[in-house]
Amino acid sequence: VQLVESGGGLVQPGKSLKLSCSASGFTFSSYGMHWIRQAPGKGLDWVAYISSSSGTVYADAVKGRFTISRDNAKNTLYLQLNSLKSEDTAIYYCARSLRRVYDYWGQGVMVTVSS
Amino acid sequence: DVQMTQSLSYLAASPGESVSISCKASKSISNYLAWYQQKPGEAYKLLIYSGSTLQSGTPSRFSGSGSGTDFTLTIRSLEPEDFGLYYCQQYYEKFTFGSGTKLEIK
Repeated sequence: VQLVESGGGLVQPGKSLKLSCSASGFTFSSYGMHWIRQAPGKGLDWVAYISSSSGTVYADAVKGRFTISRDNAKNTLYLQLNSLKSEDTAIYYCARSLRRVYDYWGQGVMVTVSS
Repeated sequence: DVQMTQSLSYLAASPGESVSISCKASKSISNYLAWYQQKPGEAYKLLIYSGSTLQSGTPSRFSGSGSGTDFTLTIRSLEPEDFGLYYCQQYYEKFTFGSGTKLEIK
C-alpha cells in the first residue's frame, strides 16, 4: 500500500489549492479515505472523509470551504481547499480507512497560507 | 465534540522498561479508540484499534486497555524502535485526536 500526496505549496489567504493523493497497492475503489492535517507544532486534526460510494463528511472548521472527492479510475483522492485562511496552514495527510480508523497514511504535503 | 486528553506530553524511559500512556475522553466513547505511532521521517502507523485489538504487524509487546472514557497504551520491554510520538484517537463521534505523547530514550 502506498499513498503519495502532492499539490501543496504557498498560497495567499482567500485563494484556492487542490491536493491530490495517489494510491497504489490496493483496490482503491473499495476503501473509504480521509484527509487529516497537522499544523506546525500542533496535534492532528481530522479534515474530511469520503466513503467508497463517495458519501462525504467534513470537520466543522472546513465545512463549506473544502471539498473531498475521488477518481477511482485514476486511483486518486482529492481535496479542494477554497477561501484559505492562515489557520489552514498545516501538513495534510491522506489515509486509508479501515473500520473508521486509518490503517495506512501518506507522508504528507505542506500547505502554507500567507500573504 | 469529544475531546481527547493525553495528560503526559513527554515520557522518558530506558530500553527494556515498560511504560504506559494514558488517554481520556470527555465523554464515553465505548471502545472506539485507536492508537498511532509516528517516528521521524516515517508515516504514521496504526498500532491498536477498538481499544485493545492489535493491528496486523503490531508487536505483541504493545497492548491497549480501557473503555468508556479512560484508555491506556502499554509497551512492555521497550525496544529502541519504540521511541517516538504516540497519539490516541476516538472515532465514536466523527474523529478527534489526543495531543500526543513523545516517548524518548532516557
